[in-house]
Amino acid sequence: DQQVKQNSPSLSVQEGRISILNCDYTNSMFDYFLWYKKYPAEGPTFLISISSIKDKNEDGRFTVFLNKSAKHLSLHIVPSQPGDSAVYFCAASPTGNQFYFGTGTSLTVIP
Amino acid sequence: KAGVTQTPRYLIKTRGQQVTLSCSPISGHRSVSWYQQTPGQGLQFLFEYFSETQRNKGNFPGRFSGRQFSNSRSEMNVSTLELGDSALYLCASSLRLARDEQFFGPGTRLTVL
Repeated sequence: DQQVKQNSPSLSVQEGRISILNCDYTNSMFDYFLWYKKYPAEGPTFLISISSIKDKNEDGRFTVFLNKSAKHLSLHIVPSQPGDSAVYFCAASPTGNQFYFGTGTSLTVIP
Repeated sequence: KAGVTQTPRYLIKTRGQQVTLSCSPISGHRSVSWYQQTPGQGLQFLFEYFSETQRNKGNFPGRFSGRQFSNSRSEMNVSTLELGDSALYLCASSLRLARDEQFFGPGTRLTVL
């Protein structure tokens, strides 16, 4: 049973525009969320996190939004750059426990 | 600081065999987690070790096992391999808690024929 879902397997965006990646979760006990980025032949690298006490966290071009009532989080990348082309995974964790990952969204930024 | 290393990077086995994968965490990191990545399933949590003890376990059959040594290095073992075990196996280390920022290794690509 997939507790964290990324319903869009792929996304294409023009360079300079906004990329919005979405993630839904089912477990209301999740209170910590992260986004990872993965290039081919490399392990995922941490991008940005948010705890359930916040609804927004920003780091440079990357912003994560959390809507607890909808059990939904999103990652905004503005402006998108070709180097952002990668697979993005969202992950969620209940207190003191392991992470549950989504299936990933492959982002392609077109120059 | 050296990153997380995993050996071997690629492995081909046949059904019924067993396999051992190795992970060396970042120096000073004491938590090691293992994940299986397959197309369409994302990263599935296998188990997490801290101070040589399994602290969390995912929903995988008993054929999947692991251990951690006193230097925090970890191994995972899969016995009686099945075709469906073909996947990328990722190891991640963190300082103390699995919820601390995790640093992933490049993974071991296991192919079962």
